[in-house]
Amino acid sequence: AQSVDQPDAHVTLYEGASLELRCSYSYSAAPYLFWYVQYPGQSLQFLLKYITGDAVVKGTKGFEAEFRKSNSSFNLKKSPAHWSDSAKYFCALTGANTGKLTFGHGTILRVHP
Amino acid sequence: AQTIHQWPVAEIKAVGSPLSLGCTIKGKSSPNLYWYWQATGGTLQQLFYSITVGQVESVVQLNLSASRPKDDQFILSTEKLLLSHSGFYLCAWSLDTTNSDYTFGSGTRLLVI
Repeated sequence: AQSVDQPDAHVTLYEGASLELRCSYSYSAAPYLFWYVQYPGQSLQFLLKYITGDAVVKGTKGFEAEFRKSNSSFNLKKSPAHWSDSAKYFCALTGANTGKLTFGHGTILRVHP
Repeated sequence: AQTIHQWPVAEIKAVGSPLSLGCTIKGKSSPNLYWYWQATGGTLQQLFYSITVGQVESVVQLNLSASRPKDDQFILSTEKLLLSHSGFYLCAWSLDTTNSDYTFGSGTRLLVI
C-alpha cells in the first residue's frame, strides 16, 4: 500500500517569508515523489519531482524540495514567498510500474501581501 | 507538442441520469491515461488507468466505468448518476507508468442534482 500525508491543511504567512510545506509518505519500495499546485477553479500544474539522484530537486516557479529517506519526507520550500504563491499544493507518490499516483489531502497556502 | 482536451467543461445532471466524460490526447502515441476525481475542496482520488487501447484498470470504481476505445481517447461513464458523483474530474497522461510528469487536463466540473 502507498500513502501520502500532508499534515498541514492550511499554512499562512506574509510575503517575503520562507515557506515550507510538509509531506511524508509510506511506501515499501523506492518512491517517486511529486509536487503539484492547484489555483482556485483550475487543474493541476506540475512543480517538481524526485525520481533518483540528488536529494534536493528544483522545480518551476522558484520552488525546491528535499527528499529525506531517513524520515520519509519530501518537503516543498521557497524563499521568499510571494502573494501569487497562494494556492493549494499537493504532494503525490508513485512507484515503479504501479500505474497509481497517490495524492495527499493538500495544503492550502495563503501568502499575505 | 502534446495537448490534452477534456469535454465537456461542465455539466449539471439529474440523479439517475447517464453520464459520459471524454478525454483526448493529441501529439503522443500510446500514452498512459488516467482518470481522477476531486470532491470540492478535497484531494484527488485515482479512479482508473489505461496503458493500452482496450485495457482499463480500476483503482476505485465509485459506480463508474471507463473505456479506451482509441489510442488517444479515454471515456468515463455511468448509466446512473448519484449525488456523490458531483465534483471535478481530471484526465491525465504520462509517457509511462512512472518516471514521468503526469500532465493533467483542464477538467470537467460535474454537479449532480
